[in-house]
Order: sequence, then structure tokens, then C-alpha cells
Amino acid sequence: NAGVTQTPKFQVLKTGQSMTLQCAQDMNHEYMSWYRQDPGMGLRLIHYSVGAGITDQGEVPNGYNVSRSTTEDFPLRLLSAAPSQTSVYFCASSLRQGVTQYFGPGTRLTVL
Amino acid sequence: RKEVEQDPGPFNVPEGATVAFNCTYSNSASQSFFWYRQDCRKEPKLLMSVYSSGNEDGRFTAQLNRASQYISLLIRDSKLSDSATYLCVAAGISGNTPLVFGKGTRLSVIA
Repeated sequence: NAGVTQTPKFQVLKTGQSMTLQCAQDMNHEYMSWYRQDPGMGLRLIHYSVGAGITDQGEVPNGYNVSRSTTEDFPLRLLSAAPSQTSVYFCASSLRQGVTQYFGPGTRLTVL
Repeated sequence: RKEVEQDPGPFNVPEGATVAFNCTYSNSASQSFFWYRQDCRKEPKLLMSVYSSGNEDGRFTAQLNRASQYISLLIRDSKLSDSATYLCVAAGISGNTPLVFGKGTRLSVIA
């Protein structure tokens, strides 16, 4: 199993550009989530999904969209990038909500 | 009040030392608890789950005190490779709420 994979590893955007961060897992996990991690702020939950077709907002959802059309994939879309979205983004998955989560390697995003 | 609170550190300890981290959680209904380890510029990885009776994995011991709502992690005989940030995590009622992560405690083990 590849576990949780994320692409790209690094990305530089200009303010106002849009992009999609990809996340996939091959463990047949129902629960998937997106976090951002900033210095001194810890992991903050952006959006999560308890199964295909179901998504919900986390602590910091503004400026981000998600969809979950398949069990395996959970892309995160930045509609109009802002410098405040410069961060490291982690995708995670688990069998169900509330149990051990497995993290992808992260995407380092810089918005200029 | 943050739901899961940790002393950010850093804890600087010599090799071979014993070090303990505490973590407090605010939701008395939390059912599951974990410790994750995060190396610099890497993703968090599960270190161990925390059970009511306490559990041990080699040099690592985790304990839960429900009455006082705190979780502890004890590392014995510290190694240089233990240097990392340790994240305390609490889960809500019956798995119907997301995991809540603390901000982490940074440990540096010095030769």
C-alpha cells in the first residue's frame, strides 16, 4: 500500500491564482481530512469527509473548497490564493472518524 | 480555552535522561487519546494510543488520568533520535467529531 499520497510536494502561486492540492489513499478509509500547519499554530482542520459524497467544514474553511466523489480521493481547492494561505498542508485518512489518522507527506505552498 | 493544551517547550535534555510531557484536554467526554510524533518538515506519525489502564511500548509510557483530564508521555533513556515534536490528540464522543490536536511539545536530546 502507498498509504496517503499528496501532490505536489511544493508549489508557489501568485495572489489570485487557483489550484488544487491532490490527496489519495489506498487503504479504503472512509474518513479523510485536510489540515494546515503554521509555525506556532499547530495543526488546524480545514475540511473533512466521513465518506464519499459527504464533506464538512473544520476550524478554518474560508478560502478552500473540497469534494469527495470517490472513497480514494479528497482534493482541496484554493479558489483565489492569498498570502495568508502560505502554509504546509497535510491530508490524513482513517478507517472512520475519531480513530488513528495516517498523514500524507504534505504540500508546502507559498503564495506571493 | 484550547481543547488540548501542551507545554510547547522546548525541552532540552541530555542523552539517557528521562523526560515527561503532560497534556490537558477540556472535553470530559473525549473517549480516545493518542500521542503523535512529528519530525522537522515531516508529517505527524502515530507514536502510541493511550488506554485507560496506561500502556508501555519500549522506552515510552503513556498514561491517562480521566479525573484530572490529562495525558502524559514518559520517555526513558532518551536517544538523539527522539528529538522531535510530540503532539497530544483527543477524540470526541463515539467518533462523531474530528480529532483535536495539541500544538505540540518540542524535545531536543543533546549528546
